[in-house]
Amino acid sequence: GDSVTQMEGPVTLSEEAFLTINCTYTATGYPSLFWYVQYPGEGLQLLLKATKADDKGSNKGFEATYRKETTSFHLEKGSVQVSDSAVYFCALSSASGGSYIPTFGRGTSLIVHP
Amino acid sequence: DVKVTQSSRYLVKRTGEKVFLECVQDMDHENMFWYRQDPGLGLRLIYFSYDVKMKEKGDIPEGYSVSREKKERFSLILESASTNQTSMYLCASSFPIRSEQYFGPGTRLTVT
Repeated sequence: GDSVTQMEGPVTLSEEAFLTINCTYTATGYPSLFWYVQYPGEGLQLLLKATKADDKGSNKGFEATYRKETTSFHLEKGSVQVSDSAVYFCALSSASGGSYIPTFGRGTSLIVHP
Repeated sequence: DVKVTQSSRYLVKRTGEKVFLECVQDMDHENMFWYRQDPGLGLRLIYFSYDVKMKEKGDIPEGYSVSREKKERFSLILESASTNQTSMYLCASSFPIRSEQYFGPGTRLTVT
């Protein structure tokens, strides 16, 4: 079945550092790929998405590129802020047995220190 | 903006009680989902629904049931709550099903 593997956390960075959170996937067909962010005490919210190979999703300084050849969708940000501290989830949605059941990674906690 | 609301942010119930968690979305989405979120396990899909009165089991349906009588409302039911159902419950909706999901704020349920 489909699966998403993302790096375990927590990831701890100083403000203005470069961020990479790795995400790889296994899926049949051509999945859509997503990054969600969950701030403390809240539900998940969409951060960015990509629907086909080589697409780059971007939002709030975060970027991720859909790499079909490496089945990856790594999240990057050039300069993190304390306010980026949250849990980040990589996810995919693909046809599996005729229904598009979403699959999530386990989440990566990011802690940014001033 | 899409809004997904859940009936309670925090809930405390006793073992054996029947528990109802309600979720309402205001954007006419066809698809709705219930997840539970536990530390170290990420999100696990309990049930989802792609239309009124339609439902599909997710990865962990045991001990849960759902109801969708109206398009905007999706209810999760714990027929007889147990302590291992203590968790954060998240509702989500989407249209179409392959697109991004919109999540509610979550209900933290404690069963004692």
